[in-house]
Amino acid sequence: DGGITQSPKYLFRKEGQNVTLSCEQNLNHDAMYWYRQDPGQGLRLIYYSQIVNDFQKGDIAEGYSVSREKKESFPLTVTSAQKNPTAFYLCASSMAGALYEQYFGPGTRLTVT
Amino acid sequence: QKEVEQNSGPLSVPEGAIASLNCTYSDRGSQSFFWYRQYSGKSPELIMSIYSNGDKEDGRFTAQLNKASQYVSLLIRDSQPSDSATYLCAVIDSSYKLIFGSGTRLLVRP
Repeated sequence: DGGITQSPKYLFRKEGQNVTLSCEQNLNHDAMYWYRQDPGQGLRLIYYSQIVNDFQKGDIAEGYSVSREKKESFPLTVTSAQKNPTAFYLCASSMAGALYEQYFGPGTRLTVT
Repeated sequence: QKEVEQNSGPLSVPEGAIASLNCTYSDRGSQSFFWYRQYSGKSPELIMSIYSNGDKEDGRFTAQLNKASQYVSLLIRDSQPSDSATYLCAVIDSSYKLIFGSGTRLLVRP
């Protein structure tokens, strides 16, 4: 089955700890994205990558970091510098080129206390 | 700030009726338009994409695009209770970024 997987589904952390969210896809998509969704709000772009070993900041990159060492994988680290990390994190992928549809993984719900 | 606007709802329709969801966008250079369905606690699922003016039909769904008026709509015919969800409008703007609206909550009453 082709698709995007994210793990874990739920994640709980104490304030001050870094945490890494996993995203893997087997759709052979070149582009991958990380979004954050807060209750009652639209999705906001954190980081995106159009090709291996290259990525760009989105609208709310502060307090986050990413890597793209493999085409299939795009992990997101939420650092202790992120002021309000509790949110629903969504990974997406698309074919190369900016006009294509993005497909989403199931998401990771992060709670930081 | 480029924006995508949707009425938050809830839009309530009886089972079997047509549900009409609307979206406006501010960037006249936007090129691609999408509708996603998101059930509570789940991730968005792409249901329609439209790239040129006019209507595009897929089963019970019809997407309509009017670039001159900068709006895109989604019609759901023969609405079912299982269609109850939040519908997100998304637009690829002139800088090739995908911008999401905050969504319209649809309730289909049995």
